[in-house]
Amino acid sequence: AQSVSQHNHHVILSEAASLELGCNYSYGGTVNLFWYVQYPGQHLQLLLKYFSGDPLVKGIKGFEAEFIKSKFSFNLRKPSVQWSDTAEYFCAVTDYSSASKIIFGSGTRLSIRP
Amino acid sequence: DTGVSQNPRHKITKRGQNVTFRCDPISEHNRLYWYRQTLGQGPEFLTYFQNEAQLEKSRLLSDRFSAERPKGSFSTLEIQRTEQGDSAMYLCASSDRDRGTEAFFGQGTRLTVV
Repeated sequence: AQSVSQHNHHVILSEAASLELGCNYSYGGTVNLFWYVQYPGQHLQLLLKYFSGDPLVKGIKGFEAEFIKSKFSFNLRKPSVQWSDTAEYFCAVTDYSSASKIIFGSGTRLSIRP
Repeated sequence: DTGVSQNPRHKITKRGQNVTFRCDPISEHNRLYWYRQTLGQGPEFLTYFQNEAQLEKSRLLSDRFSAERPKGSFSTLEIQRTEQGDSAMYLCASSDRDRGTEAFFGQGTRLTVV
């Protein structure tokens, strides 16, 4: 069965610091990968997605993620965070061939100190 | 707003009562998903539909839970004989299977069982 692991439960950074959130998945087949963000009081929104092609994908608000197939990883990065990036971040995976259910990780809460 | 719409936004019910939630997906989206989210956790898959067909149900979904999507448009999630452990945020999402697998989420229905 597919699963997603996010090892950082809560990350606290100062503004302008660099960010990297870890995501590992377990699935042997071809996958589609996502990062979603949930700002306080708001619904889940897509940050970026990987379907195929260039393993380095860029999303909204300066976020990017790199798919490393050999490591089953899809880490999220941002070179310089802002206070407005305070939110919960979720990594998710789905089976590419069947495009079945989307499995989410437990999330990483990001707190940015102004 | 043409996004995913969920009603009601909040529901407080007494233990043992039945509740029903409604989800209106983005029009023409053929996939519809139901998730449950508790505090500090990622969305937990419950079930999903391809048009009107229910393709998968989580083993976590007891027989007190039932979902329907008549005519492949809106969907309802019913919980019978609610228990305090059912208290959670219930999320609905939709996607266009033919154009990609990213899911768009609604605001959710927060259920509190007292």
